[in-house]
Amino acid sequence: KQEVTQIPAALSVPEGENLVLNCSFTDSAIYNLQWFRQDPGKGLTSLLLIQSSQREQTSGRLNASLDKSSGRSTLYIAASQPGDSATYLCAVIPNAGNNRKLIWGLGTSLAVNP
Amino acid sequence: DAGVIQSPRHEVTEMGQEVTLRCKPISGHDYLFWYRQTMMRGLELLIYFNNNVPIDDSGMPEDRFSAKMPNASFSTLKIQPSEPRDSAVYFCASSLARLAGELFFGEGSRLTVL
Repeated sequence: KQEVTQIPAALSVPEGENLVLNCSFTDSAIYNLQWFRQDPGKGLTSLLLIQSSQREQTSGRLNASLDKSSGRSTLYIAASQPGDSATYLCAVIPNAGNNRKLIWGLGTSLAVNP
Repeated sequence: DAGVIQSPRHEVTEMGQEVTLRCKPISGHDYLFWYRQTMMRGLELLIYFNNNVPIDDSGMPEDRFSAKMPNASFSTLKIQPSEPRDSAVYFCASSLARLAGELFFGEGSRLTVL
């Protein structure tokens, strides 16, 4: 059974710091992996989606990497800003046909302090 | 596009009452998902539809929960009778078939059952 774990559960950093959020999954046979951001009281916003054949995706200051063999993904945030404060969740789609059921981590709550 | 629209944003009700949550997906999206989010369990998929047809409802907690999608632009999640343990944030999300995993979320309906 696929399980997704995110460590740490919470992180507090000073503004300007580069940081890495971690996501691990137990079954390397995934279809894709996606990183989401959730602001308090809001829905989730998709940040980056990595297909199983890809190693990384970049969007602005964000870079997500995927290593299927080790069951790991990282979300790198460069030059963090207070506006980056949010909860970051990763989710995988298991490699099972037309399955659309994402398996979710519990998220990392990030606070960037000015 | 206005995005995924959910109503109500907040609902406070008493145990035993019927609760109906509503969702309008993004126009043209052919998948619709209902999620529940709590601090303890994170995001849980309750049910999802493809072209208005329920595909997987294995996440629906029990018979008190039901979901319908009468047309491509509207879905409801009903809880009858409600219980305090149903208190959570309920999210609706939609996606396109060709973009597996790229979900677009509404802002959620926060349900409190007293």
